[in-house]
Amino acid sequence: LAKTTQPISMDSYEGQEVNITCSHNNIATNDYITWYQQFPSQGPRFIIQGYKTKVTNEVASLFIPADRKSSTLSLPRVSLSDTAVYYCLVGDYGNDMRFGAGTRLTVKP
Amino acid sequence: NAGVTQTPKFQVLKTGQSMTLQCAQDMNHEYMSWYRQDPGMGLRLIHYSVGAGITDQGEVPNGYNVSRSTTEDFPLRLLSAAPSQTSVYFCATARTGYSEAFFGQGTRLTVV
Repeated sequence: LAKTTQPISMDSYEGQEVNITCSHNNIATNDYITWYQQFPSQGPRFIIQGYKTKVTNEVASLFIPADRKSSTLSLPRVSLSDTAVYYCLVGDYGNDMRFGAGTRLTVKP
Repeated sequence: NAGVTQTPKFQVLKTGQSMTLQCAQDMNHEYMSWYRQDPGMGLRLIHYSVGAGITDQGEVPNGYNVSRSTTEDFPLRLLSAAPSQTSVYFCATARTGYSEAFFGQGTRLTVV
């Protein structure tokens, strides 16, 4: 069961790019890396998932180095509405998928 | 297509009472999970299921029971409610072990 480590909080300003790094030294060969976003009083929402190298979708990019012991979620040009908690998960739901404490991102005007 | 439906949305229990939190999904997903989230904290896994008839414990299973008799439903039972179980409970589903998970809107439970 790979454990993840993320910064507790980050601050940014509107229009900036935000990079949140997650460490997962014990990642297994079959594990995927998945990021979720959570707003207050709502359930988490899927952002992006990857296995290696780089994955990009309409809202974010995910960078995974060759050793896969860390990953970086990149949010381009953040806005106030990106203020949320971001969770990095490693593993699969058939093997007890657990959330850590997450990173609380605050975007300021 | 409702997705993941949790009922009730809010509940107040007295210490020692029992109740069942309902979770239903219409996406035909095999994987279902229950999490609790205490104020200002991350989600903690209570129980999960990889298919009908199969359940397993997560990191905080004590005081909770689950069953999975159908693909669609995954109820969470509180056997004897305690104030420490005051929390927001989320149900999640996923098509496979590696796919995107979908979460319900949560059940806010207060035990007095």
